[in-house]
Amino acid sequence: EAGVAQSPRYKIIEKRQSVAFWCNPISGHATLYWYQQILGQGPKLLIQFQNNGVVDDSQLPKDRFSAERLKGVDSTLKIQPAKLEDSAVYLCASIKTGGGYTGELFFGEGSRLTVL
Amino acid sequence: SQKIEQNSEALNIQEGKTATLTCNYTNYSPAYLQWYRQDPGRGPVFLLLIRENEKEKRKERLKVTFDTTLKQSLFHITASQPADSATYLCALDGDSGYALNFGKGTSLLVTP
Repeated sequence: EAGVAQSPRYKIIEKRQSVAFWCNPISGHATLYWYQQILGQGPKLLIQFQNNGVVDDSQLPKDRFSAERLKGVDSTLKIQPAKLEDSAVYLCASIKTGGGYTGELFFGEGSRLTVL
Repeated sequence: SQKIEQNSEALNIQEGKTATLTCNYTNYSPAYLQWYRQDPGRGPVFLLLIRENEKEKRKERLKVTFDTTLKQSLFHITASQPADSATYLCALDGDSGYALNFGKGTSLLVTP
């Protein structure tokens, strides 16, 4: 079974520029998450999707961050304009819910963003 | 406010010894608690889940305890090996369905 795919792995941009990250979850996983992990910190939830609907985006800085999952499969996280404090690793995760639920989140390898 | 606290200092132990990591939480009533391993430059990998009605869970050399009265979980790695060196993250279920809130993690270094 293929894991959670993310791209790009690394991105360096100037502040005030925009960037987009892509995630393809494990096939059949209806729930998808984007987490932000700043160096030395644990992952912080940004947004949670159930199929193509948003379940929780309370910690998403909506003035600059946006995310979508139009067809209920892959997802895109966008930052525009980027700030220095957005430098972090953006982790995508998915989970199998319903009858096959085990509680385990499957993470991708992350997209490391550096804002100069 | 809700908090998940893990040892901020790195834990250095000798190969063969038992490593014990601590996770304390406040203002949570979790249905379960999870532990993940994270290697540098990689995403977290699930290790164990323990439910609120379980006191202890084991998987190979790993053991997790969960005390909902003390609001604490202990994570043990017995007969530790240098390959166990990584950051270990504690996570609790959040208010929205299936989402997890993570602690900062504890770095473990096992030396030969």
